[in-house]
Amino acid sequence: SQQGEEDPQALSIQEGENATMNCSYKTSINNLQWYRQNSGRGLVHLILIRSNEREKHSGRLRVTLDTSKKSSSLLITASRAADTASYFCGGSNYKLTFGKGTLLTVNP
Amino acid sequence: DAGVIQSPRHEVTEMGQEVTLRCKPISGHNSLFWYRQTMMRGLELLIYFNNNVPIDDSGMPEDRFSAKMPNASFSTLKIQPSEPRDSAVYFCASSGPVGRGYNEQFFGPGTRLTVL
Repeated sequence: SQQGEEDPQALSIQEGENATMNCSYKTSINNLQWYRQNSGRGLVHLILIRSNEREKHSGRLRVTLDTSKKSSSLLITASRAADTASYFCGGSNYKLTFGKGTLLTVNP
Repeated sequence: DAGVIQSPRHEVTEMGQEVTLRCKPISGHNSLFWYRQTMMRGLELLIYFNNNVPIDDSGMPEDRFSAKMPNASFSTLKIQPSEPRDSAVYFCASSGPVGRGYNEQFFGPGTRLTVL
């Protein structure tokens, strides 16, 4: 079963706008990780939030985690055309299980 | 470090043929993962090794698929016989010792497999 499920499946915004993606998971986790995938390439780790954390920042990224709702959100502020990619979340115990991702398109 | 290395990058084969995909994890990493990505099913974990031992192979679709990790620096994923529905991008990923914290995974560039 998928441990992470992203929402929405696709998101299209203008450069400079903020992008918010959501993730839900099914079972308890040690941490939740967000990854980015450019077309035709492997996933690249963006940020990890531990189960005892509620919010984490890294540059233009802000991640929140609500363990009571089994959900997380990824906010990308001041988006750029180069942020166009698919974004995946994965809930982790000893392994990561990913959803199908959110395809983000940032229009210049 | 060169990162996770996968070969070949592209493989085109005919139905019924044996396919072997190869992966070299990052030196010092002790966990290795094989994933399959398709439009229909997204990114699926096939098998997970820790210290060269298969820990979880519940994602391996059927007996036609097998994976080995003979040493810490090499793993193979074999499909025999291959079928058109096996066409996908196969990724290998590795991560460091759990004792160092909750670990991110480093992905290889993937092998795009096409079975005709």
